[in-house]
Parts: sequence; structure tokens; C-alpha cells
Amino acid sequence: KAGVTQTPRYLIKTRGQQVTLSCSPISGHRSVSWYQQTPGQGLQFLFEYFSETQRNKGNFPGRFSGRQFSNSRSEMNVSTLELGDSALYLCASSSALSGTDTQYFGPGTRLTVL
Amino acid sequence: AQSVAQPEDQVNVAEGNPLTVKCTYSVSGNPYLFWYVQYPNRGLQFLLKYITGDNLVKGSYGFEAEFNKSQTSFHLKKPSALVSDSALYFCAVRDPSGGYNKLIFGAGTRLAVHP
Repeated sequence: KAGVTQTPRYLIKTRGQQVTLSCSPISGHRSVSWYQQTPGQGLQFLFEYFSETQRNKGNFPGRFSGRQFSNSRSEMNVSTLELGDSALYLCASSSALSGTDTQYFGPGTRLTVL
Repeated sequence: AQSVAQPEDQVNVAEGNPLTVKCTYSVSGNPYLFWYVQYPNRGLQFLLKYITGDNLVKGSYGFEAEFNKSQTSFHLKKPSALVSDSALYFCAVRDPSGGYNKLIFGAGTRLAVHP
């Protein structure tokens, strides 16, 4: 099976712009979660989507949003970019049939905000 | 609040020696614990998880972890380290208040295996 894929792998934006990141989960997985990784804050949960519905949300401002499509692919959007949004954004997928499922991560999208 | 602590920023070990990367947790209810590894410019790779059952969990690439409920620990171990094991290791616990897939991660431990 193909793993989790994320596009693009690298992005450079300027403050005030918006950005959209894409994630394709492992085939058959219906849950997609997003995490932000920074040197200062480490790995932090952004949100989770399951069957096109946001099921959980982390403690991030409303500038961070996402959605999931009927084929389970997910996108996250960050509006009005700030310098502090520079990070590695990781997407993870799981079958989400139970709370013991393993999340499998993609390679990430490295976002740099100038 | 749920939390995970990895008390060592870096662990140094000689190739061929056993290695241990430490993790302690605080969570209400039964803990679901995970170990992931991250290589440079890569995402997280799943190593192993503890859900229930045997306290010694075996995972990928020869890694294993020992769950200790009384000490609230879940240390990662490997009997004989390889240079290729050098990477960043993360311990994580599922947040029971965050639904199925909200993981809380430790800060990470950098493992350096020297030839």
C-alpha cells in the first residue's frame, strides 16, 4: 500500500498571505489528523477529520482550518500567515475504527513564512 | 492534564551497545502509548505501541518498549544499537479527552549512535 502523501513538500510564503496544504491518506483510511512541528513548541495537534467532519480540534487560532473530501483526502488552510506559522506540517491517517488504531504519518510540508 | 515527558534531550551510545530512551506519562484512564522515530527531513515512522496485555512490546527494526504502570513509564529499548538508529525519537500518548486520534507528544530525544 502506498503511504500517506503530502503536497507540496516545501512552501515559501510572505506574511499576510494564505496557504493550502494537501494530504492523501493511506487507501482505506478514513481519518486524517494534522500536526504542527516547530523547534519551540514541538509536535502539536491541529485537528482531525473523519468522514468529512471535523471530529477534534487543537488549541490553534481560527486562521487554521481544514476540510476533508469524500475520498478522505484532506486539506488544511492557514490564512493571514504570521512568521510564527513557519513549521513542518504533518498529516497522519488511520482507519479510526477504535482508539487503539495507529496513526501513520506523511513526510510533511515545510512552510517558511518570510 | 495529559502529558508526556522525555527527560533526556540527547542519548549517546556506542554501536553494538544496548540503548534506552526514556518516557514517562500522565494520563487519566488506561494509557495508549506510542513510539515514533523521525529521520532528517522526514515524517514520523511508527515503531510500536502499547494498548493492553504484555508489558514488553516488540516493534519494528528490533526495538521494544517496556510498559511500567506503577512508574508510569514506557521506555524504548534495543539490545544492540546501530549507527543507522541515529535519529529523533518521540513518545506519545493518546489524549482520552481528544477523541480517537489526538496524540500528545513528548519533546523528543535525539539518539546518537557512535561507531
